[in-house]
Amino acid sequence: KAGVTQTPRYLIKTRGQQVTLSCSPISGHRSVSWYQQTPGQGLQFLFEYFSETQRNKGNFPGRFSGRQFSNSRSEMNVSTLELGDSALYLCASSGQGAGTEAFFGQGTRLTVV
Amino acid sequence: SQKIEQNSEALNIQEGKTATLTCNYTNYSPAYLQWYRQDPGRGPVFLLLIRENEKEKRKERLKVTFDTTLKQSLFHITASQPADSATYLCALDERTGFQKLVFGTGTRLLVSP
Repeated sequence: KAGVTQTPRYLIKTRGQQVTLSCSPISGHRSVSWYQQTPGQGLQFLFEYFSETQRNKGNFPGRFSGRQFSNSRSEMNVSTLELGDSALYLCASSGQGAGTEAFFGQGTRLTVV
Repeated sequence: SQKIEQNSEALNIQEGKTATLTCNYTNYSPAYLQWYRQDPGRGPVFLLLIRENEKEKRKERLKVTFDTTLKQSLFHITASQPADSATYLCALDERTGFQKLVFGTGTRLLVSP
């Protein structure tokens, strides 16, 4: 069974621009969550979607948003990019949400210059 | 404040020995605790999940314990191999009903031949 696919793998953007990252979960998984990983803060939860509804959101500014489509694919968007947004963005899918293992994609490495 | 602490320094051990990694948490009430392995430039890979009412879980050379009184989990790799070298992350899953993992900072394990 195919794993979680994230595109693109690498991205370089300029401060002030906006970016959209994509995540295709494992077939049949309805829960998709997003995490930001930086050397200083580690892995931090951004938000989780289940059946097209955002169920939970982490402590990030409103510039970070996301959505989920009817086929469970998800996108996250960051507007007005700042240098501090440079990070590895990871998407994870799971079958039912809480209490189950999360399957992570390879991540998108975003560099803001 | 809420904290999840793992061995802050890298752990260096010799091949064949048992590696023991710790995860201590403060001001959380996890219903589940998970352990992941992460290699450089890749997403975390699920290893084990233990529930709050379980004391110990095993899978092949891996063993995890969970003490909700001490607020601590220990992760053991027996008969360690150089291929076990990676960063190991513990993640708490609170009783939210959603897929939201709160990660520790990780412990880098280096197994020398």
